[in-house]
Amino acid sequence: EDQVTQSPEALRLQEGESSSLNCSYTVSGLRGLFWYRQDPGKGPEFLFTLYSAGEEKEKERLKATLTKKESFLHITAPKPEDSATYLCAVLGGANNLFFGTGTRLTVIP
Amino acid sequence: DVKVTQSSRYLVKRTGEKVFLECVQDMDHENMFWYRQDPGLGLRLIYFSYDVKMKEKGDIPEGYSVSREKKERFSLILESASTNQTSMYLCASSLRVQASKETQYFGPGTRLLVL
Repeated sequence: EDQVTQSPEALRLQEGESSSLNCSYTVSGLRGLFWYRQDPGKGPEFLFTLYSAGEEKEKERLKATLTKKESFLHITAPKPEDSATYLCAVLGGANNLFFGTGTRLTVIP
Repeated sequence: DVKVTQSSRYLVKRTGEKVFLECVQDMDHENMFWYRQDPGLGLRLIYFSYDVKMKEKGDIPEGYSVSREKKERFSLILESASTNQTSMYLCASSLRVQASKETQYFGPGTRLLVL
């Protein structure tokens, strides 16, 4: 069964304290792994798509990496405005996107 | 920029009412999706559509129906709203089912409360 697990559920960081969020998955025939950011009361905002193991994508303080079993979202020197819930989703052979339950990140000034 | 809009940000309805949620995308995307999002459960797919007048059931279609009469518009219908349908409803669209074109873009969401 296709499954996506994100950890930790919640993460509190001091401003400038780098860390990583994890997304582990089991899916038959991975066709893509997606990272989204979601602010409270709003829809998810697309960040990255990764397609194959070894691939990396960067945007400002965020960097996403992919292996055959998991993806990491690295946050370098975070700022308070990076506080949000980060969602991971995988697209398997059945054309359906499976979402994790997210990591709620809080960056303290 | 991809723009996905939803007809309402907040809705309050009574049990048994028929509820229509509308979603419009302006990027000529072929695929459209309806999800609901609940605390601790993440996003769950209700229905999706790969083309006009075409629909497929997602993981939790019971109690819902959909309509796609035009390419840019995808409607979610709650035939007889119940309290367990209180949730955040999210619409998404993607260009097509093919490598590198499958990124889904989301609307702002509709928070529905059924009393």
